[in-house]
Amino acid sequence: EVQLLESGGGLVHPGGSLRLSCAASGFTFSTYAMNWVRQAPGKGLEWVSVISGSGGSTYYTDSVKGRFTISRDNSKNTLYLQMNSLRAEDTAVYYCAGGPVAYFQHWGQGTLVTVSS
Amino acid sequence: DIQMTQSPSTLSASVGDRVTITCRASQSISYWLAWYQQKPGKAPKFLIYDVSSLESGVPSRFSGSGSGTEFTLTISSLQPDDFATYYCQQFITYPRTFGQGTKVEIK
Repeated sequence: EVQLLESGGGLVHPGGSLRLSCAASGFTFSTYAMNWVRQAPGKGLEWVSVISGSGGSTYYTDSVKGRFTISRDNSKNTLYLQMNSLRAEDTAVYYCAGGPVAYFQHWGQGTLVTVSS
Repeated sequence: DIQMTQSPSTLSASVGDRVTITCRASQSISYWLAWYQQKPGKAPKFLIYDVSSLESGVPSRFSGSGSGTEFTLTISSLQPDDFATYYCQQFITYPRTFGQGTKVEIK
């Protein structure tokens, strides 16, 4: 059974940093491109970033470019999102998601990030 | 960026109703479209890919159709478990944009 488990969320001040993790199990992690998707309170889904299975390719939505960094450790079956220079508008539940092809077949349960003073 | 626009934003329906949600892309996305279902406080659930292919385990009352820029998700006979918010998403290019969501609520 595929499982994705996010961690690392919490309360952070504007301008602060946070690193999210997503522990994967139940599949060959290195074969899945992995994504981060976020959902602000009461709002819709917003794709944030993707990393290829090898880690060699990454893409970001414009609003996080230069502030967020996606990475993965295939030896640990773990996906990361390093978030710097956080803003109030980054407040959201962050989900990791991925699948054997492009589609987001599997999702974690999400971790809440709150940016507030 | 490709804009995905869903209509309606909210839909009130009864158990047994046939329900149709529309998703329009700002430019052609060929068949690179997926649908998700999300219930309050839960992660989205993958329903349909490649416009019309049902994910394993998804009830056959769900179906998808369309091509190019206009797509539909249809629930043939709405069940109590189907009251949720539905999102479309394009996969032809980055950023991977979602529609704004359609909430299906009880009439």
